Amino acid sequence: DAGITQSPRHKVTETGTPVTLRCHQTENHRYMYWYRQDPGHGLRLIHYSYGVKDTDKGEVSDGYSVSRSKTEDFLLTLESATSSQTSVYFCAISEFRAGGGGTDTQYFGPGTRLTVL
Amino acid sequence: GQQVMQIPQYQHVQEGEDFTTYCNSSTTLSNIQWYKQRPGGHPVFLIQLVKSGEVKKQKRLTFQFGEAKKNSSLHITATQTTDVGTYFCAGGGSARQLTFGSGTQLTVLP
Repeated sequence: DAGITQSPRHKVTETGTPVTLRCHQTENHRYMYWYRQDPGHGLRLIHYSYGVKDTDKGEVSDGYSVSRSKTEDFLLTLESATSSQTSVYFCAISEFRAGGGGTDTQYFGPGTRLTVL
Repeated sequence: GQQVMQIPQYQHVQEGEDFTTYCNSSTTLSNIQWYKQRPGGHPVFLIQLVKSGEVKKQKRLTFQFGEAKKNSSLHITATQTTDVGTYFCAGGGSARQLTFGSGTQLTVLP
């Protein structure tokens, strides 16, 4: 498995509290992604990063912000958690290969299970 | 935006039976990737298809990419209990992003 860790692995919090999830990689890959996984919806992209301090929104970015101050770390913040943000959150990384055509393989972290009461 | 539909959502098979999951995109894809997620685990890359009409095999798994590059399928021959999990297709577009299908959860009954 690629060197990707996520912390915490489990978290229970209350509505209205801020929450930060961390993704750390040791692969020096350029691209990092945050997904949420919910039954019946597969994996939905929240935000992604294509370099230090370079981020962009995904399909379900409302209520989430991200930061990437170092290549190896990508943080996902829920400024004020809501029950609808109860989910499993996965971080992924990829390294585009020149001439490879389109997106590259994504390697996923172990996930963080977040429950918002 | 790009949408990727995957069917069926659930499939129960007896061990030894075949299994197929289908993926359809609303737009032409630059490539399609398949991932497997074991229960309680994280998605793991299986394969990537790039060319129109491409067919690739991995032991009992056969992957196809449609001629129009808008659909794909994964076929497993003679399922085993180790095949249990959720299989996702993911479509690549013009940016460094993937759009995932909702997945097919495979249960193999011994």
